Amino acid sequence: EIVMTQSPATLSVSPGERATLSCRASQSVSSNLAWYQQKPGQAPRLLIYAVSTRATDIPARFSGSGSGTEFTLTISSLQSEDFAVYYCQQYNNWPYTFGQGTKLEIK
Amino acid sequence: EVQLVESGGGLVQPGGSLRLSCAASGFTFSSYWMSWVRQAPGKGLEWVANINEDGSEKYYVDSVKGRFTISRDNVKNSLYLQMNLQMNSLRAEDTAVYYCATRGPLAAAGTRDYWGQGTLVTVSS
Repeated sequence: EIVMTQSPATLSVSPGERATLSCRASQSVSSNLAWYQQKPGQAPRLLIYAVSTRATDIPARFSGSGSGTEFTLTISSLQSEDFAVYYCQQYNNWPYTFGQGTKLEIK
Repeated sequence: EVQLVESGGGLVQPGGSLRLSCAASGFTFSSYWMSWVRQAPGKGLEWVANINEDGSEKYYVDSVKGRFTISRDNVKNSLYLQMNLQMNSLRAEDTAVYYCATRGPLAAAGTRDYWGQGTLVTVSS
């Protein structure tokens, strides 16, 4: 099983600033990496797939990068609605696995 | 509009059984892989099972293999998760919100951009 490790566990950022979230895979997942956002009491929302492709209706301030085992989600200018938990997910090998999440909180 | 509505959750004793259902609408159900993903209270996400379009391929995470069964009915546009009736089958660590999920035509295979609201399963004596 591929283990996905996210850092940091919690990130405190002010609105309008940039946030950078990291995700590392225990082995290469090629470009089969996605990011999700989850708010309390809600289902996850797909943000990014194939490392850097934004899902439908996802704002351009969300961007993804990386390859192999190291990946990054960047939110260029944080809006109030962006404060949530973010998960990376690999779909290169079954079982598909998620990172433990990064909580993005208001500073 | 795509809708996924889960039902069947509740309180069940260890060793008991439960069948979760997911009613799908707004898309051609029989054309898409379907999944169950769970989330223990206050914890992260765990991908539990996948089933292909006609139900001939099924995949399970090791922690539920032999205990849970994913199935679908393409006439009723429904997905199921049978959480099985065996000694020690349901465990406290199965306590979670269970989400039904699928992907639309634009998202990558292996990702899920449509999710239900989830149904809570609590395993406790």
